[in-house]
Amino acid sequence: GIQVEQSPPDLILQEGANSTLRCNFSDSVNNLQWFHQNPWGQLINLFYIPSGTKQNGRLSATTVATERYSLLYISSSQTTDSGVYFCAPGGSQGNLIFGKGTKLSVKP
Amino acid sequence: SQTIHQWPATLVQPVGSPLSLECTVEGTSNPNLYWYRQAAGRGLQLLFYSVGIGQISSEVPQNLSASRPQDRQFILSSKKLLLSDSGFYLCAWSVSYSYEQYFGPGTRLTVT
Repeated sequence: GIQVEQSPPDLILQEGANSTLRCNFSDSVNNLQWFHQNPWGQLINLFYIPSGTKQNGRLSATTVATERYSLLYISSSQTTDSGVYFCAPGGSQGNLIFGKGTKLSVKP
Repeated sequence: SQTIHQWPATLVQPVGSPLSLECTVEGTSNPNLYWYRQAAGRGLQLLFYSVGIGQISSEVPQNLSASRPQDRQFILSSKKLLLSDSGFYLCAWSVSYSYEQYFGPGTRLTVT
């Protein structure tokens, strides 16, 4: 099955800093999603991005499917950005394969 | 707009007791439905998915089962819980022609 590696595993930022989270996957995929898991466990959809680049406010994402990686950019980070960020490429049945996540802590 | 509900939000059950978790989706017809489990500090693992009433596919052999008695209802069950069944259970849905999934609020299960 598809293997997913996310880096870094942990990230501590000062409020206002920028960051890049990386997701490598081992096989070609039909879909890829980025999620933010808040402290209450809710998974919040950030991007559905099987290829290309998308932007939503301070967040943007790029997936280069041919090279099997995706990047999530967070600019001008805020304390509310804290939590765990998951990359989840999709298998052939539409199921998502989750990485172990990047735990982000933004300090005021 | 579409919404997804899960209940209960939290559950503490003794080893050997039965389990029933429910997930319902509103505002869409014939969704694909998924059950995932998240162990503490880990990513999510797919347990079951369904593309229609009575159609269930299992990804991981385990102590659990799933059923889809109605179009927008997905149930996760167990006859006898194990300690290893503890975790955070999330239900998700997608429209039948799309891969993009949306998650419910989850049920935190502790087996004692």
